Amino acid sequence: EAQVTQNPRYLITVTGKKLTVTCSQNMNHEYMSWYRQDPGLGLRQIYYSMNVEVTDKGDVPEGYKVSRKEKRNFPLILESPSPNQTSLYFCASSPTLAGGNYEQYFGPGTRLTVT
Amino acid sequence: KQEVTQIPAALSVPEGENLVLNCSFTDSAIYNLQWFRQDPGKGLTSLLLIQSSQREQTSGRLNASLDKSSGRSTLYIAASQPGDSATYLCALETSGSRLTFGEGTQLTVNP
Repeated sequence: EAQVTQNPRYLITVTGKKLTVTCSQNMNHEYMSWYRQDPGLGLRQIYYSMNVEVTDKGDVPEGYKVSRKEKRNFPLILESPSPNQTSLYFCASSPTLAGGNYEQYFGPGTRLTVT
Repeated sequence: KQEVTQIPAALSVPEGENLVLNCSFTDSAIYNLQWFRQDPGKGLTSLLLIQSSQREQTSGRLNASLDKSSGRSTLYIAASQPGDSATYLCALETSGSRLTFGEGTQLTVNP
């Protein structure tokens, strides 16, 4: 089954404790991205990757890191989480972006709470 | 900077009604527009994608239109059902491989 998976689905952590949210897709997609969703602010892009070893900042990259060592995986790293990073996080993938007629496929979301 | 607005923020209708959700945007230089559905506790599911050169797309009871000149898109849902209850989001792809989302319309279809 074609899908985007995220782990963990739920995470409660404390300020300053490094964490990684994994994202994996099995569709051989080149484009992957991370979003956060907050009430009143909608979905905002954190980072995106056009292909392996190519990543770029989205609209709200502060406090986050990403890597794209393999095509299928795009982990989101919070080196020192803070309470304002409490949010619902989504990973998405697409065959490509930039004018193509390709849909974005989303993972199920990771609900992160930082206390 | 692209800004996307969805009106209304919430909508409640009786089952069987035809309804229209609206999405407006400020920058008409888009590659495509996509409508998504989000169910509570779940991810986003793509419903329809309209390329910038197209005027509309249809899938079953759903019809999405795009008018770039006026910066508007509509999602028409025919003969609504309780199972259509969800939040509907529109998103626009612009240059720089960016997707910009609206805040969504929360739809409730009452039996």
